[in-house]
Amino acid sequence: QVQLQESGPGLVQPSETLSLTCSVSDISIISASYWGWIRQPPGKGLEWIGNIYHTGSTFYNPSLTSRVTMSVDTSKNQFSLKLSSVTAADTAVYYCARGIPLGVVTAPHDVWGQGTLVTVSS
Amino acid sequence: EIVLTQSPGTLSLSPGERATLSCRASQSIINTYLAWYQQKPGQAPRLLVYGVSRATGIPDRFSPSGSGTDFTLTITRLEPEDFAVYYCQQCGSSPETFGQGTRLEIK
Repeated sequence: QVQLQESGPGLVQPSETLSLTCSVSDISIISASYWGWIRQPPGKGLEWIGNIYHTGSTFYNPSLTSRVTMSVDTSKNQFSLKLSSVTAADTAVYYCARGIPLGVVTAPHDVWGQGTLVTVSS
Repeated sequence: EIVLTQSPGTLSLSPGERATLSCRASQSIINTYLAWYQQKPGQAPRLLVYGVSRATGIPDRFSPSGSGTDFTLTITRLEPEDFAVYYCQQCGSSPETFGQGTRLEIK
């Protein structure tokens, strides 16, 4: 079955860039799916960060678009997230997830990674 | 941005009872683009339903309904494993947005 696994540093300094990678197993990343990032601050709700298609087309949350870059590496079956100029408000569990394509750029997410806690602190 | 408001914030019920969770949108949504998730402590959210479709492996006691701006997830005959936090999500327009969640707790 499809599995996703996030990896990256658990601690990031303020003003630095958060970088995470999601490794996809048991399905090709070039399948007809969107690949997304969603985050959840401790004890709070879910916030969509953005989606990327295997072609490299990206769709970001307008609230984060100035700081977000997503990319896909089809040779490694991975996709990545970079979030620049982080502050304590970016402390959250970051999830990667597969999006079910419904003909629009947004999607319900049917397979999720386990999540990785990223803390922004000096 | 479409804002989703879930009610109640907390729902206290007993196993075997029926749960009704509400999600109200600030703008009309095509029901295909309304999804519900379940999240247990320390776990990733799990997709339950989107539109009228149940995700793979989701039992039929989870039943979505609604249209326009008012949507409901009904859970008939609560099982012990159903007690969790539930989120609705709209994925019909960017940005995707989630409701703030309803906590379903054992009474």
